[in-house]
Amino acid sequence: GESVGLHLPTLSVQEGDNSIINCAYSNSASDYFIWYKQESGKGPQFIIDIRSNMDKRQGQRVTVLLNKTVKHLSLQIAATQPGDSAVYFCAERKTSYDKVIFGPGTSLSVIP
Amino acid sequence: GAVVSQHPSWVICKSGTSVKIECRSLDFQATTMFWYRQFPKQSLMLMATSNEGSKATYEQGVEKDKFLINHASLTLSTLTVTSAHPEDSSFYICSRTGLPKGYGYTFGSGTRLTVV
Repeated sequence: GESVGLHLPTLSVQEGDNSIINCAYSNSASDYFIWYKQESGKGPQFIIDIRSNMDKRQGQRVTVLLNKTVKHLSLQIAATQPGDSAVYFCAERKTSYDKVIFGPGTSLSVIP
Repeated sequence: GAVVSQHPSWVICKSGTSVKIECRSLDFQATTMFWYRQFPKQSLMLMATSNEGSKATYEQGVEKDKFLINHASLTLSTLTVTSAHPEDSSFYICSRTGLPKGYGYTFGSGTRLTVV
């Protein structure tokens, strides 16, 4: 099956600080990018997405930035809370009909 | 509430037996659903695309005779792990396209399979 990466980087942040989670995606032809949050023992939960014709999109406490030149995606979480502790995955798909392929994930740990 | 329901949430089976996992789309009819597998501390790996009324499409390296997928109705896809072995122990997650908005999939809550 398809996947990207076999390790899980970790990021620890103090409660109230901003978090930045980075992702390098693999396919320059990808047109859609999605961020998911996965809590232990649960399925991934949609956070925010962005299309390749944009470089920034904001949601509630979250911002996604896309740099197509270097194939880089980031998720910024403002005022990080303990409930934000989870594994965060970026995912990509070439078209709206293609498979969603996941990146390696980053484990976010919020220190109270 | 959940719009993709997966059952069971966990199962323990003996080596050599088969296990069936169900995935239901509760809010709309899904002609296509997707099955992922996730090993501890790793990413989600797409196993196969389940197509209503036709054969599933398997990703490279996934044994279609071991992981049987049936999508007999527009709201139900099943994954059967046949002759399970300890190395099949994993977290299996189904999904379907479409969200209330957005470009990604909606995921079920996953099934933890442990083969002893």
